[in-house]
Amino acid sequence: AQSVAQPEDQVNVAEGNPLTVKCTYSVSGNPYLFWYVQYPNRGLQFLLKYITGDNLVKGSYGFEAEFNKSQTSFHLKKPSALVSDSALYFCAVRDDSNYQLIWGAGTKLIIKP
Amino acid sequence: SQTIHQWPATLVQPVGSPLSLECTVEGTSNPNLYWYRQAAGRGLQLLFYSVGIGQISSEVPQNLSASRPQDRQFILSSKKLLLSDSGFYLCAWSVLPGQAYEQYFGPGTRLTVT
Repeated sequence: AQSVAQPEDQVNVAEGNPLTVKCTYSVSGNPYLFWYVQYPNRGLQFLLKYITGDNLVKGSYGFEAEFNKSQTSFHLKKPSALVSDSALYFCAVRDDSNYQLIWGAGTKLIIKP
Repeated sequence: SQTIHQWPATLVQPVGSPLSLECTVEGTSNPNLYWYRQAAGRGLQLLFYSVGIGQISSEVPQNLSASRPQDRQFILSSKKLLLSDSGFYLCAWSVLPGQAYEQYFGPGTRLTVT
């Protein structure tokens, strides 16, 4: 069965430090992977996606994600965290059976000044 | 550019009352449309999706229903609300098959059933 996992319920990072939000996936074919961010009481915003090509994908707000096929991971990263990055982050993978998105449970990112 | 609207932004309704939430998309044609519910600010639960006018797929059996009367309009309804229907309702759209299928979300509706 296809699935996506975000193993950390919450990640705490000091402002200015690098951040990583983890995501692992399981799909039968080639993975189409996505990251979204959600600020309180707002809709989800699309950050970036991996379809094919370069394993390092750059997205909005200075975020990037590294696709690792051998580890079936797609971790979200940022070199220097901002307090304004504090939000809920969702990883998703395309379900090849129906082309819907399978969502992770979300990771709450807290950036402390 | 494409825009997605949802209204109302917030809603407080008594148990047993009807519900109608509306979602409209601008700037694209024949999108796939989705209704999600998010409880307690965490995981997303797909409720309904639609690939065209009048075509609705239900993911979770419940007292909610959805309709797509026009290409870019998606409505979530209930005849009688339950306390468990409280949550944050999100509408989303995506492009047709052949693309990567990223979804774009509206601002959401916060529903509180009292």
